[in-house]
Amino acid sequence: GAVVSQHPSWVICKSGTSVKIECRSLDFQATTMFWYRQFPKQSLMLMATSNEGSKATYEQGVEKDKFLINHASLTLSTLTVTSAHPEDSSFYICSARNPLAGGLNEQFFGPGTRLTVL
Amino acid sequence: QKEVEQNSGPLSVPEGAIASLNCTYSDRGSQSFFWYRQYSGKSPELIMSIYSNGDKEDGRFTAQLNKASQYVSLLIRDSQPSDSATYLCAVKEGLTGGGNKLTFGTGTQLKVEL
Repeated sequence: GAVVSQHPSWVICKSGTSVKIECRSLDFQATTMFWYRQFPKQSLMLMATSNEGSKATYEQGVEKDKFLINHASLTLSTLTVTSAHPEDSSFYICSARNPLAGGLNEQFFGPGTRLTVL
Repeated sequence: QKEVEQNSGPLSVPEGAIASLNCTYSDRGSQSFFWYRQYSGKSPELIMSIYSNGDKEDGRFTAQLNKASQYVSLLIRDSQPSDSATYLCAVKEGLTGGGNKLTFGTGTQLKVEL
């Protein structure tokens, strides 16, 4: 299997606060997870690649000090949006690969977290 | 910069017809290709993956790849209203490399009409 969960599914917060989003692989161990952001009517934009036991690799233009990623175990990666502002309101989606699945190492997506910053 | 292009649509087809979704990509080094379906407000769901030139069929879905033309398509036979969604094309540089990331197109919105 390749089930990925996210928590919370939605969150509303005040501007200036921090929000943590969890991504879990439920039936496999994921050495690599990916964090995406999707604005309305736009495609998925990769924010960073999360590697278990090491620092995340951020895409160009993504502030690593604002979007903190921790991948402390083979089944859990967290994304913390620090000092959130209304422009950070978006749909945040994580994905993971099952390294034992063979094939093309397809990415399986979590259900997403909708963040609204007031 | 790697680019993946899709017509945003909407593409409207009658129920029972064949829907044809197209995607072109700029990076000749791309080796694996994916089609995801995304319903409004939901996360993407993998439909098909392909890495060899030609056709790959899975139920009502057929993925077609032409690396020379840098073109990949998805055919949906006997389209159903439940197929109405946005279809995302994604491209990966390698085949099984653990660090390779996906580049997504902007998606094509499909509407299957009764």
